[in-house]
Order: sequence, then structure tokens, then C-alpha cells
Amino acid sequence: GIQVEQSPPDLILQEGANSTLRCNFSDSVNNLQWFHQNPWGQLINLFYIPSGTKQNGRLSATTVATERYSLLYISSSQTTDSGVYFCAARGGGNKLTFGTGTQLKVEL
Amino acid sequence: SAVISQKPSRDICQRGTSLTIQCQVDSQVTMMFWYRQQPGQSLTLIATANQGSEATYESGFVIDKFPISRPNLTFSTLTVSNMSPEDSSIYLCSVNNRGSAGYTFGSGTRLTVV
Repeated sequence: GIQVEQSPPDLILQEGANSTLRCNFSDSVNNLQWFHQNPWGQLINLFYIPSGTKQNGRLSATTVATERYSLLYISSSQTTDSGVYFCAARGGGNKLTFGTGTQLKVEL
Repeated sequence: SAVISQKPSRDICQRGTSLTIQCQVDSQVTMMFWYRQQPGQSLTLIATANQGSEATYESGFVIDKFPISRPNLTFSTLTVSNMSPEDSSIYLCSVNNRGSAGYTFGSGTRLTVV
């Protein structure tokens, strides 16, 4: 099945800083999503982005399908951005495979 | 996108007992998916539940331990049987939205086995 890798595994930012999270996947994808898991365990869908670029407020994402990677940009980070960010991809079939996540902590 | 109601949100259970987790979707969906997230780990697919047929389990997961019910197109249950402390995890259900919205997840069940 498809392999999904994320980097960095951990990230500490000062409030107001910008960051880029990376997701590499091993095969062509029909579905790629970015999620934010809050401290209560709830998984929030940030972007559905199998290709192209999308923006939502301070967050944006770009997927270059031909090169098998996706990037999540966080600008002007806030403490509420803390949590774990997951990339998940689906190749053929119906199985959505998750990466290992990036643990983000934003400090005052 | 579909909206999923999952319950319970959390529970603390004695070892050797079983817990049934429920997911209700606000629209009809062909497949529902059940995931486990062990402490500090990523999400792993347990099984895919289709209405009217037995669930399809991923490698490392068996029906006797994680029986799944799918009585109709909007509802599914996952039971964690004969629990041990190693079953302490977050369990989540998911559906694949039609169109270009991707997958939606329930709010999760945080299970602690003592």
C-alpha cells in the first residue's frame, strides 16, 4: 500500500512565526488531506487537496502530485494552532493511510 | 460534508469487559471506516464496514476482538472485546464524502482500560 511520511516530527514556534510542514507519499493519490488533531483528540479536516493549492485564512496547502509531496503552511502562528498535524493519502482502493504526524507547539 | 455523531466520547473500563462504540451519520453512506489511535501514535485502519456484508479487517485485527455491526446505511458499531490495558486508545469512525470533500471523522472515543 501507499506509504506516507511527514516532517518534521516535532516543531516548537514562537507565536507569530511561520512554518512549513511536509508530507511525502510513495505513489499517485486520489485523495490527500491535512488534518489537525486538537488536545482532546478531535480530528479536524483542514484541506482536501490531491493536487493544486488552497488557502483558508492563515493556512494554505500545496500538493505537487507529479513529485509526490504536499506542504502545509501556517502563517502568524497562534497558541491555538498547537496540536498534531496529520497528512493522509489514498491511492487505489478505499483505504486512507495516515502519516506519522507533526507535533506542533506554539509558545507565547 | 457528512456529519458524524460518535459516542461515548470517553470511557474507563475494567479489563476483561467489552465496550461498544456507536457512530451515526446524517446521510447514507456505502462504507464506514473504523480507526484506532494508540497513545502518541498515528491512526491505523481497523476495518471497513459495508451494509449487508461482513466487515473487511486489516492485517493484525480480527473479528473476534473487534466485531462490527452495520445494520443500515447511516449507522455502525464497533465493539472492543475482552479488553486489556493495551486496548487503551482513541477509536474513530470515518466516512468518505461524495464529491471532493474527502473523509470526515467522528469526534472519537477515548478508551482507558484499567
